[in-house]
Amino acid sequence: DTEVTQTPKHLVMGMTNKKSLKCEQHMGHRAMYWYKQKAKKPPELMFVYSYEKLSINESVPSRFSPECPNSSLLNLHLHALQPEDSALYLCASSQDKGTRVQETQYFGPGTRLLVL
Amino acid sequence: AQTVTQSQPEMSVQEAETVTLSCTYDTSESDYYLFWYKQPPSRQMILVIRQEAYKQQNATENRFSVNFQKAAKSFSLKISDSQLGDAAMYFCAYSRGAQKLVFGQGTRLTINP
Repeated sequence: DTEVTQTPKHLVMGMTNKKSLKCEQHMGHRAMYWYKQKAKKPPELMFVYSYEKLSINESVPSRFSPECPNSSLLNLHLHALQPEDSALYLCASSQDKGTRVQETQYFGPGTRLLVL
Repeated sequence: AQTVTQSQPEMSVQEAETVTLSCTYDTSESDYYLFWYKQPPSRQMILVIRQEAYKQQNATENRFSVNFQKAAKSFSLKISDSQLGDAAMYFCAYSRGAQKLVFGQGTRLTINP
């Protein structure tokens, strides 16, 4: 069982649509992440939020807009996407105690996105 | 920059046998963490095992164990008594804080009944 949930499981959208992906964690973690994963490839980091503030943006195009309304929720707003943005989008969370210690990241089940 | 290399794109093993997945990494740091994640066809990334570099003892989790060779920068995963449910893509990952995981390219493991 996962304690990181993601909705929807699948999403099909046109290039002019606006949609949002949602991620929720119930582990009291203070760091949350968005990854993009293409088929047969490892996940690629997109964004990191730490204590509800954006701490890392891996030069992601502005058509992807993250939002962290509170410590348990993470959204990814999508607008004017391209077909090459079709991928599995994974959310993860970790404790983030603010030390040098790497906190283990726990992943959600992902949203499979298809852009037509 | 740190890199993680998984030299075996695909592996297969008979059910109930033992298989070892290889991983090497490159870093100049002495304090870091290594992980093995499993991603079955259901696509969720599941943490299998974690190793802290300052600990000499190899981590174990039930049928899963690692052979951590710090000097050689090697971090292999051994799966004992393989089960059909072990079939998945396995990713080795490195981290040294900064909230970034560096993943290898993955090894697809098939279990033959």
